[in-house]
Formats: sequence, C-alpha cells, structure tokens
Amino acid sequence: GESVGLHLPTLSVQEGDNSIINCAYSNSASDYFIWYKQESGKGPQFIIDIRSNMDKRQGQRVTVLLNKTVKHLSLQIAATQPGDSAVYFCAENIAGGNQFYFGTGTSLTVIP
Amino acid sequence: DSGVTQTPKHLITATGQRVTLRCSPRSGDLSVYWYQQSLDQGLQFLIQYYNGEERAKGNILERFSAQQFPDLHSELNLSSLELGDSALYFCASSATSGGSRETQYFGPGTRLLVL
Repeated sequence: GESVGLHLPTLSVQEGDNSIINCAYSNSASDYFIWYKQESGKGPQFIIDIRSNMDKRQGQRVTVLLNKTVKHLSLQIAATQPGDSAVYFCAENIAGGNQFYFGTGTSLTVIP
Repeated sequence: DSGVTQTPKHLITATGQRVTLRCSPRSGDLSVYWYQQSLDQGLQFLIQYYNGEERAKGNILERFSAQQFPDLHSELNLSSLELGDSALYFCASSATSGGSRETQYFGPGTRLLVL
C-alpha cells in the first residue's frame, strides 16, 4: 500500500495552546486528504478535508495546510481543549481510486 | 454520531470459528467500506461495496468476505478465525462511489476478540 506517515507518534500540549500535527504522504497523485479524530472506544470522526487544488482550509478551531511540493499535510488546532485529546489520523486518496490510505496516527494529550 | 451503525459492539469467539459483522450506512449513502484496525497496523482498508457490487478491494484475506444487500446494509464475514484476527472492525459509508469526491463517515466499530 501507499505510505502515509506521521512525524510524531505522541504530542502533549497545555490547554489553551495551539497544536500542530504533521503528516507526510508519498504519492504525488493523491488529490484528496482528510483528517480524522479518534477518541478511545469510538470510530474515526471526520474533522476537515482538503483537495489538492487548495493549500489551506479552515474550520472551527482547525486549519489544514497542504504543501504538495514536499508532500506534507498538517492539522492545526487552535486553543486546544481537553476534549481534543484523541488520536489523529490523516488519510489520502489517490486520484481515480476509491481507497483511502491512513497513517498510523498521532496521539494528542491535552494537559489541563 | 455519524449515522453509521454497526453490530455487535463486542464479539468474543474461538479460533476456527466464523462470525458476521453487520453495518448500516448513513441514510442515502450507497457505498460501504470495511476497515480493520489493529494495534500495530493502524487502519487497513479491506473492501468497498457500492450499490450492491464490489467496487474496490484492499488487504482482505481470502478467509474474509463481504456483501451488500438491496437495502444497502453490509455484512463482513470472517471465517477460520485466528488469534491475529483480533482487532477493531470499522464500517464507513459515503454518498456515491467514493474516491476524491467524497468523505467517508465511520461507524463506532465492532471489537473482535479471538481466543
């Protein structure tokens, strides 16, 4: 399969600080990316997506940045809250394909 | 709540047995995807069904099979179970045939333990 990896397997941040979670992807033909949040005992929950014709997309407290030159994706969470503690996955879809490739995830812990 | 439902939540069985996992997609979604999540491998795509037909295949073992019924619910059948099949099995759904046009929404998963 394709390689979608995260730079940091764990991340701890202080409540109120901003968090940045990074993801590297390997296939330059990937044209759609999703960030998912998975809380303990639950399924992955859609956070935000971005298509390859964009380099930035903002949601509520979250921003995804896409750098196609270096095949890098990041998720920024503003004013991190305890409820943000979870594992975050990036997933890529290669143009023309139905399959998403997921990274192994980054565990975010928010310290109150 | 994503709107995707899965049953059962937990399943404990023995090696060599066969189990069936069930998934109902979000209302109106035509595609169903099955994923396996184990501790050491992350989320692995198994198979996709779109409107009753197999659409894409990933790392699905020959001992595993799936189908999608006319009412669009799907079942994943796991047979000749081995200890290594213990994992979380997720179902996801999307509106049409999938790919770069569509977000996949995940169900809560079925936790399978093979003893």
